[in-house]
Amino acid sequence: KQEVTQIPAALSVPEGENLVLNCSFTDSAIYNLQWFRQDPGKGLTSLLLIQSSQREQTSGRLNASLDKSSGRSTLYIAASQPGDSATYLCAVRKTSYDKVIFGPGTSLSVIP
Amino acid sequence: DAGITQSPRHKVTETGTPVTLRCHQTENHRYMYWYRQDPGHGLRLIHYSYGVKDTDKGEVSDGYSVSRSKTEDFLLTLESATSSQTSVYFCAISLAGGHGDTQYFGPGTRLTVL
Repeated sequence: KQEVTQIPAALSVPEGENLVLNCSFTDSAIYNLQWFRQDPGKGLTSLLLIQSSQREQTSGRLNASLDKSSGRSTLYIAASQPGDSATYLCAVRKTSYDKVIFGPGTSLSVIP
Repeated sequence: DAGITQSPRHKVTETGTPVTLRCHQTENHRYMYWYRQDPGHGLRLIHYSYGVKDTDKGEVSDGYSVSRSKTEDFLLTLESATSSQTSVYFCAISLAGGHGDTQYFGPGTRLTVL
């Protein structure tokens, strides 16, 4: 059974720092991996989707990498801003017909 | 936001009462999902639908039923609510039609069962 973990559970950084969020999964046979952002009291917003054949995806200040063989993904946020404060979740899918399995999330606080 | 709305947004009910949550989408997406989110458990899939009248169970389906009589509406019913069903419920759709595609989420419904 696929399990997804995210470390750390919470992270606090000063504004302007570059930071890395980690996501690990136990079964390396995945179809894709997705990173989401969730603001307090809100739904999830999709940030980046990495297909199994890809090594990374970039959007603005965000860069997500995928290493299937080691069961890891990282989300790199450059030049963090207070507006980046949110919970970040990763989610994996085994095949195109399987459901998504979510990690528990990392709560990020960027201090002005 | 892919045109997803959920109603009600907040509900307080008593143990043993039936509750129905509604998810409405405006863009005729085929796949729709219901999740619950709880501290310490993250997001867990309750049920999903891959078309009108076509539904299947997720990992935490006990105590829940769903119906989809129209493409745009996916209903989640708690036949007899229990305190363990106090949670935040999210509806989601797969934008391009399949499980393998990006999922977009509604704003959530906060349900409290007393």
